[in-house]
Amino acid sequence: AQKITQTQPGMFVQEKEAVTLDCTYDTSDQSYGLFWYKQPSSGEMIFLIYQGSYDEQNATEGRYSLNFQKARKSANLVISASQLGDSAMYFCAMRERRVTGGGNKLTFGTGTQLKVEL
Amino acid sequence: EPEVTQTPSHQVTQMGQEVILRCVPISNHLYFYWYRQILGQKVEFLVSFYNNEISEKSEIFDDQFSVERPDGSNFTLKIRSTKLEDSAMYFCASRERLAGGGSYNEQFFGPGTRLTVL
Repeated sequence: AQKITQTQPGMFVQEKEAVTLDCTYDTSDQSYGLFWYKQPSSGEMIFLIYQGSYDEQNATEGRYSLNFQKARKSANLVISASQLGDSAMYFCAMRERRVTGGGNKLTFGTGTQLKVEL
Repeated sequence: EPEVTQTPSHQVTQMGQEVILRCVPISNHLYFYWYRQILGQKVEFLVSFYNNEISEKSEIFDDQFSVERPDGSNFTLKIRSTKLEDSAMYFCASRERLAGGGSYNEQFFGPGTRLTVL
């Protein structure tokens, strides 16, 4: 079973509008973290936002916010006031229970390609 | 701002040849990772490294792969005999350990090395 599911291979949004990118996850661990990364066409991975499983409030970082619904196992990324520079691939990722010695690998979803239009 | 660096940015090699991909993690980070991304696909975990040993590896990381931290700054991934299917973008990432061992600290990714096997 997929640990991270991103069901939207592509999304379009008008400049200055908000957009929600979906992410659902599957884990039996109580302690985990959820991340969103942005990958522009140049290829680098840019960290956007983090949500811990025990965090009571939804994470926010500037125009990015994470709509965390623990019971539904979803961690959707909301980008407000979209800009042309937001056009990129967006990956949701999860880190599960800490492994002694510092593993803590990230498991990624398949990504959503966002295109911001004028 | 400190960043993870990777060299080369693009490596072309013949099938069967050995390649070494190099990474310089952020200087105070203690945990190191390699991921790969086949073109158009999701990012996949290869290996994590802590305290001079592998802490976790995926099924992709077979005997053809090895990692090393030859000095205090470099972190390398070696592929002994490259195959066509090794063609991918390889990302190095690093993470610091916060006081108290908090699990929420992010992994910082390097810009990647695009490996092309002919």
